[in-house]
Amino acid sequence: ETGVTQTPRHLVMGMTNKKSLKCEQHLGHNAMYWYKQSAKKPLELMFVYSLEERVENNSVPSRFSPECPNSSHLFLHLHTLQPEDSALYLCASSPHGPLQLQYEQFFGPGTRLTVL
Amino acid sequence: RKEVEQDPGPFNVPEGATVAFNCTYSNSASQSFFWYRQDCRKEPKLLMSVYSSGNEDGRFTAQLNRASQYISLLIRDSKLSDSATYLCVVNTGRRALTFGSGTRLQVQP
Repeated sequence: ETGVTQTPRHLVMGMTNKKSLKCEQHLGHNAMYWYKQSAKKPLELMFVYSLEERVENNSVPSRFSPECPNSSHLFLHLHTLQPEDSALYLCASSPHGPLQLQYEQFFGPGTRLTVL
Repeated sequence: RKEVEQDPGPFNVPEGATVAFNCTYSNSASQSFFWYRQDCRKEPKLLMSVYSSGNEDGRFTAQLNRASQYISLLIRDSKLSDSATYLCVVNTGRRALTFGSGTRLQVQP
């Protein structure tokens, strides 16, 4: 496998459920990111991990909980979500740490989440 | 004011047309700039970086105007396959990139 993969691709959950999104990058990158993309809104950065250390938490509600067990894997644990959390959740990685000025982010295909 | 602002469009142009998008950014300390492309229901992908001197990649030309704080993307000889949303992306010196909402382009036969 190459690139950035995400599972599941689609997820429907109730407000009382607990679920996890998984992201895996096969590029040997050092930084990984979670973004939320809602309809007609810009991508919203949620979390940044650099070398497995969380370096940014962009005022995300505690019902979203990230985990980065190693530099290739990133999880987003979800619990007691709200309907307004329905969105496309994108994972990305970049070769160097996020403080590099010129760097490309490689995105996974996303998980389309619907909260009922 | 939004950090990165784009006209959402859509821009509807015929095949072969030249089309240009602008994007403005609010943080004068912004240090690097990019255009990403996002196809419908797909992930964003880097189209090109934008350099101070301007740069060209085939039919695509990107320009940066630091004094006026805007970047532009020019597409010549539009193809049907150019139909997508074009995202203006800025590195403001924070720990990640800041994305605009995107400009939708629809190239028509």
